[in-house]
Amino acid sequence: SQKIEQNSEALNIQEGKTATLTCNYTNYSPAYLQWYRQDPGRGPVFLLLIRENEKEKRKERLKVTFDTTLKQSLFHITASQPADSATYLCALGETGNQFYFGTGTSLTVIP
Amino acid sequence: SQTIHQWPATLVQPVGSPLSLECTVEGTSNPNLYWYRQAAGRGLQLLFYSVGIGQISSEVPQNLSASRPQDRQFILSSKKLLLSDSGFYLCAWSPGPGQGPEKLFFGSGTQLSVL
Repeated sequence: SQKIEQNSEALNIQEGKTATLTCNYTNYSPAYLQWYRQDPGRGPVFLLLIRENEKEKRKERLKVTFDTTLKQSLFHITASQPADSATYLCALGETGNQFYFGTGTSLTVIP
Repeated sequence: SQTIHQWPATLVQPVGSPLSLECTVEGTSNPNLYWYRQAAGRGLQLLFYSVGIGQISSEVPQNLSASRPQDRQFILSSKKLLLSDSGFYLCAWSPGPGQGPEKLFFGSGTQLSVL
């Protein structure tokens, strides 16, 4: 069956450290992978997109890697801040118009 | 700029009652439109998506249906709600083919409680 799993439901880290979130998938052939941020009671907000032929993408303090052999993406937030506390979702896009989401990881950055 | 409107924000409905959630997009044409559902503390489940007027694809068989009567309007309906229909419903849009990067823009969501 198809699955998109994110490494843990909750992750607590100290302010200033790097947060690393994992997204693993099975039985998908994604053309690209995305990461979204979701705050409580709100819709997700797009952060980054990485395509299947790209290894790494950066945007300010965010870095995403994509390994199609391992079927895994890593999402890093460097110099984390309490304002980074939220749920982070990965999503796969195949060649059609569908976007499939992972289970999400709740990140708490402790001051 | 593009905006997406979704309403109502919260809804409490009895079991067996009908449902109609509406979503409209402004500032773009021929968008792809989506309905997702999110159970408490869970990821997003794709329910329906549409690439054009009257074109609806269903991902999960259930007692919900979707319609797209106009280019930028997407409606989620049910004739008789079940307890299991409770959840956070999100409408989203993405640019149509060749119109921009593949990413979703979400509405603010509807918290549906079926009692």
